[in-house]
Amino acid sequence: GAVVSQHPSWVICKSGTSVKIECRSLDFQATTMFWYRQFPKQSLMLMATSNEGSKATYEQGVEKDKFLINHASLTLSTLTVTSAHPEDSSFYICSARDDLGTGGNNEQFFGPGTRLTVL
Amino acid sequence: ILNVEQSPQSLHVQEGDSTNFTCSFPSSNFYALHWYRWETAKSPEALFVMTLNGDEKKKGRISATLNTKEGYSYLYIKGSQPEDSATYLCRGPSNDYKLSFGAGTTVTVRA
Repeated sequence: GAVVSQHPSWVICKSGTSVKIECRSLDFQATTMFWYRQFPKQSLMLMATSNEGSKATYEQGVEKDKFLINHASLTLSTLTVTSAHPEDSSFYICSARDDLGTGGNNEQFFGPGTRLTVL
Repeated sequence: ILNVEQSPQSLHVQEGDSTNFTCSFPSSNFYALHWYRWETAKSPEALFVMTLNGDEKKKGRISATLNTKEGYSYLYIKGSQPEDSATYLCRGPSNDYKLSFGAGTTVTVRA
């Protein structure tokens, strides 16, 4: 099946620094990728939709200047948490939609997630 | 129901016992419901895509049913094994990439 990787799997950083998280589709092309955030014991919440070659679409309440998304190629999207603060500590997970997938039904393939801890 | 809800939030099962849990969703404008199995430190793995009322799907000891009229889906695990320990997520139900996730049901199987 389709594989999505994320790097790093966990990161600890100091308050005020920026952290970049990579999401890669390993064996398929993905024009569209998605970034989610999960708070403890809560659902995965969609943060933004990343579109290759164009600006990301952010969900209501998500600061685009805080969470920079770049989708420079058909297999790579990055999420940069700028000037991170302790409240940004969370679990971030990406997913990708196979451009050539025939499964339909909005099937997405997920990365394993990144645990961010901001001290 | 306005959002996707899952219950219970967690459950503990003795090895060999069977169990089931629920995903509830708005019954209007149904398109598809997805079930995922999510083990710690791994990617959520797609289990089933349910599209038709009355659908029943099976994968090994795990099966799922769907009732779109009343807005719920059950996931069943028969003869639970320790490797079934995971969080089970459902997602849906509209035809929109912004499909809503439930908060998940975390299953712990005790040997």
